[in-house]
Amino acid sequence: EDQVTQSPEALRLQEGESSSLNCSYTVSGLRGLFWYRQDPGKGPEFLFTLYSAGEEKEKERLKATLTKKESFLHITAPKPEDSATYLCAVQARGAQKLVFGQGTRLTINP
Amino acid sequence: GAGVSQSPRYKVAKRGQDVALRCDPISGHVSLFWYQQALGQGPEFLTYFQNEAQLDKSGLPSDRFFAERPEGSVSTLKIQRTQQEDSAVYLCASGRGGATTGELFFGEGSRLTVL
Repeated sequence: EDQVTQSPEALRLQEGESSSLNCSYTVSGLRGLFWYRQDPGKGPEFLFTLYSAGEEKEKERLKATLTKKESFLHITAPKPEDSATYLCAVQARGAQKLVFGQGTRLTINP
Repeated sequence: GAGVSQSPRYKVAKRGQDVALRCDPISGHVSLFWYQQALGQGPEFLTYFQNEAQLDKSGLPSDRFFAERPEGSVSTLKIQRTQQEDSAVYLCASGRGGATTGELFFGEGSRLTVL
């Protein structure tokens, strides 16, 4: 069964304090790994797709990386507006559905 | 509209009542998904449509849950004889399909509370 585990469950940082969020996964053949951001009371918002080990994607202060067993979301010099829950999901080869982790709730204090 | 629209945003039902949740996807999007999200958890897959065809309903938790997308656009998720464990946010997502099936656009969700 495909599975995604995210850590930590919650992370509190000071503005400008860089850190990383972890996503460990097991999947029967990876089609893609996805990162989404979810604000309170809203639906998830797509950030990145990673397809193969070694791949990296960047967007503003965020960089996502992928290995054969895990993905990291690196946040550099975060700002309070980066506060949100970050969700990781995998899609298996031949499947359409995404399997999500439980998310990491990130809080950036000014 | 520009995004995925869901209604109602909030629904309170008494145990045993039937509810219907509506999703208006982005125009032209082929794929449509329903997910269930419990408080503090990630979304859990319920069902998937490609146009009007329901290709995967493996995530529907019981035969009380039913989804349709008769004309390949608007979709309805129906829950019969609601139970307290059905309380959750129900998210609808649409996508262009093809090579980008994981890049989904989510609505804001319908929060169901069963008393």
